[in-house]
Amino acid sequence: DAGITQSPRYKITETGRQVTLMCHQTWSHSYMFWYRQDLGHGLRLIYYSAAADITDKGEVPDGYVVSRSKTENFPLTLESATRSQTSVYFCASSESRGTMGTEAFFGQGTRLTVV
Amino acid sequence: DQQVKQNSPSLSVQEGRISILNCDYTNSMFDYFLWYKKYPAEGPTFLISISSIKDKNEDGRFTVFLNKSAKHLSLHIVPSQPGDSAVYFCAASVTGANNLFFGTGTRLTVIP
Repeated sequence: DAGITQSPRYKITETGRQVTLMCHQTWSHSYMFWYRQDLGHGLRLIYYSAAADITDKGEVPDGYVVSRSKTENFPLTLESATRSQTSVYFCASSESRGTMGTEAFFGQGTRLTVV
Repeated sequence: DQQVKQNSPSLSVQEGRISILNCDYTNSMFDYFLWYKKYPAEGPTFLISISSIKDKNEDGRFTVFLNKSAKHLSLHIVPSQPGDSAVYFCAASVTGANNLFFGTGTRLTVIP
């Protein structure tokens, strides 16, 4: 189906484990983003990518790693999960940086719990 | 340090009446503002936006007002419908930048 999909929708992991959240979009959008949503903070940008093999840090990048070998995929990896990374994670895509706000499409989110 | 603030965590309105959601920002560099709507278990969806060169933008039942001197924007929904019940996020950015700064959200409940 066309759109942006995240997997898994729900994940429970243990402290110290590595976990990867997947994001796939079918529009061939250049830009992709990872946000986390936490109570009292709204959504905060973790990493973004302007194109395949181009990534850059957002507001809260510590503890996360991203890659983008293909335009359509933008996985987010927590190298050693901590309880503070318990959150809802949203992936988004946009055709261009200049119009990110109006043309950004968000996935359904991944609820990650670190125990 | 929250650059975009939504001070009302929740709002309840009767169906057919006006809903007014407020948002304040601190960064004077912001020149583009947006509202997103979010239903439970779904991602945010874009609702309406406004550039800093305007003070009002209207789209059907939704109108966004921008007061640059007060660094304040508001979203008016008239008339409110039960399907409008959702969390509304205000967001701001600098045109061409890579980040949207989001507020903490306001949960709107429209009572039938």
